[in-house]
Amino acid sequence: DSGVTQTPKHLITATGQRVTLRCSPRSGDLSVYWYQQSLDQGLQFLIQYYNGEERAKGNILERFSAQQFPDLHSELNLSSLELGDSALYFCASSVGTGVFNTIYFGEGSWLTVV
Amino acid sequence: AQRVTQPEKLLSVFKGAPVELKCNYSYSGSPELFWYVQYSRQRLQLLLRHISRESIKGFTADLNKGETSFHLKKPFAQEEDSAMYYCALKNSGYSTLTFGKGTMLLVSP
Repeated sequence: DSGVTQTPKHLITATGQRVTLRCSPRSGDLSVYWYQQSLDQGLQFLIQYYNGEERAKGNILERFSAQQFPDLHSELNLSSLELGDSALYFCASSVGTGVFNTIYFGEGSWLTVV
Repeated sequence: AQRVTQPEKLLSVFKGAPVELKCNYSYSGSPELFWYVQYSRQRLQLLLRHISRESIKGFTADLNKGETSFHLKKPFAQEEDSAMYYCALKNSGYSTLTFGKGTMLLVSP
């Protein structure tokens, strides 16, 4: 158990809908990352937050947004869902942002868009 | 731009055979490289980081800056090593990870 908790584990929804994925980082970790894993694109970095502030942005679509709350948990909001958004969404966390920080991953949230 | 290349999608070996999973990177700064393992679409688990120069589950990886490689090796593969292996490069500016496409290792009895 990495200590990173994600909910829900599985989610099936229809095209056009909106979903929210939730992540609780490891105790003491200030940095949260979101990654998308799909068969065709592999693992893609979406966005990173550090202590509530957006720190880095990757290949995140405009239909997607995220935030990190004062208690350090994070949510990834996916809207106007398309079939191609079906993927495994990973949250990860680390203590900080320095070079020697190890990044730990959660078990992921399986999103299926039908 | 930084990039991680894992040229093999699938590597199939017999139990007891040596294994080498290839990883090449492109990065202008001083790289920090990792290997992550994923069993049956579960969460990614950190296997190795080049800074630690350690051996985990019999796996080792050496950073070769001249060849810009960080190949993962194990002298004798076990069936339980069957998994997806990802090489990753950390962007030192933001600490985010850039992953390769992954290599599926299949160890047959």
